[in-house]
Amino acid sequence: QQQVKQSPQSLIVQKGGIPIINCAYENTAFDYFPWYQQFPGKGPALLIAIRPDVSEKKEGRFTISFNKSAKQFSLHIMDSQPGDSATYFCAAKMGGNEKLTFGTGTRLTIIP
Amino acid sequence: DAGVIQSPRHEVTEMGQEVTLRCKPISGHNSLFWYRQTMMRGLELLIYFNNNVPIDDSGMPEDRFSAKMPNASFSTLKIQPSEPRDSAVYFCASSFTGANVLTFGAGSRLTVL
Repeated sequence: QQQVKQSPQSLIVQKGGIPIINCAYENTAFDYFPWYQQFPGKGPALLIAIRPDVSEKKEGRFTISFNKSAKQFSLHIMDSQPGDSATYFCAAKMGGNEKLTFGTGTRLTIIP
Repeated sequence: DAGVIQSPRHEVTEMGQEVTLRCKPISGHNSLFWYRQTMMRGLELLIYFNNNVPIDDSGMPEDRFSAKMPNASFSTLKIQPSEPRDSAVYFCASSFTGANVLTFGAGSRLTVL
């Protein structure tokens, strides 16, 4: 059972554009929502994370938007660069539980 | 710290053979996770340990898979016998309990022919 649904599966954006990756979750007990970035041949690495008590979080060019009522959250990348080309995973976690449930990933390509 | 260290980085084996993947977590981290990555299913949690004790192995596909953590600095994931559908990249990750940050290794790419 897929508890975190991620879309799109792949995305191609021109340099400077704003790619948006969406995730939806089912379990209302989730209280921590990170995004991980993975470059080819590497393991995923934490990029940015949010808790449901805020609707938006920005770190540099990366922004998470969170809609608690819709049980959805999304990643926006401002002024995207070819170096942002990677696979992005959303994830969710319940308090008191170490288990992190990942979405299926989005392969992002930024073309010059 | 060298990060989470996994070996081998690549493994090609024939169906029916035993495969052992190894992981050395970051020193001081007390939670260790094994994930499997495929194109179709993304990152799936297989098992995680806390203080060397298996806490949740509900993601282990079947009895052919087993994992051990004999001490705080070493864990293995074993597949016996291996099948072509086990072909995937297997990641080990570690963290401090409650830290909400997983540090992943570079992965072990397994190909079963």
